[in-house]
Amino acid sequence: EVQLVESGGDLVKPGLSLRLSCTASGFTFGDYAMSWFRQAPGKGLEWVGFIRSRAYGATTQYAASAKGRFIISRDDSKSIAYLQMNSLRTEDTAVYYCARDKRGLWSGYPYWGQGALVTVSS
Amino acid sequence: DIVMTQSPLSLPVTPGEPASISCRSSQSLLHSDGYNYLDWYLQKPGQSPHLLIYLGSIRASGVPDRFSTSGSGTDFTLQISRVEAEDVGVYYCMQALQAPPTFGQGTKVEVK
Repeated sequence: EVQLVESGGDLVKPGLSLRLSCTASGFTFGDYAMSWFRQAPGKGLEWVGFIRSRAYGATTQYAASAKGRFIISRDDSKSIAYLQMNSLRTEDTAVYYCARDKRGLWSGYPYWGQGALVTVSS
Repeated sequence: DIVMTQSPLSLPVTPGEPASISCRSSQSLLHSDGYNYLDWYLQKPGQSPHLLIYLGSIRASGVPDRFSTSGSGTDFTLQISRVEAEDVGVYYCMQALQAPPTFGQGTKVEVK
């Protein structure tokens, strides 16, 4: 069974950094791209970015709101995807989800973690 | 970025009755492979999003057949033939044609 578990959510002050982890199980982690999404309190879903598998160079792509401040990385030996968030702003306050799609023809994001709450406040 | 617009934003429903949600995209989501790169997700209260439909019309594993879709290009509709109490939550459409994937604002479905 595919499982994704986010951790690392916390209360942080503006301008500081935080790293979230997404620990995966139930599949060969290294074979899949991993994506991050977020949801501000009472708001809709927003894509943050993703990292491709090593077979595709482990390259990353980011939303405009994350580019230059957030870094997505992966440790295939530990089956963990990371979201390093720097220079945090109050508007980054959200529940952050990691998600996985399926290989081959697009078939949506059938696998999501339970989410990690990040609160940015002084 | 492709802009996704849903309507209505709030939908009171009566169990056993049909319901429908509209989703429009600012660009056509019809790919040259013949598929519309449009997903539907349901986020039940306090839960993570749950995939209902992908590629415009394909139900994800375990999704009941009371959920169906219509439309192509820029206009799409999610239909629930007979709403059940477990269908309450916020429904999102999401385009997967081009990065960044973008979502509609969400439609909150609640029992009258």
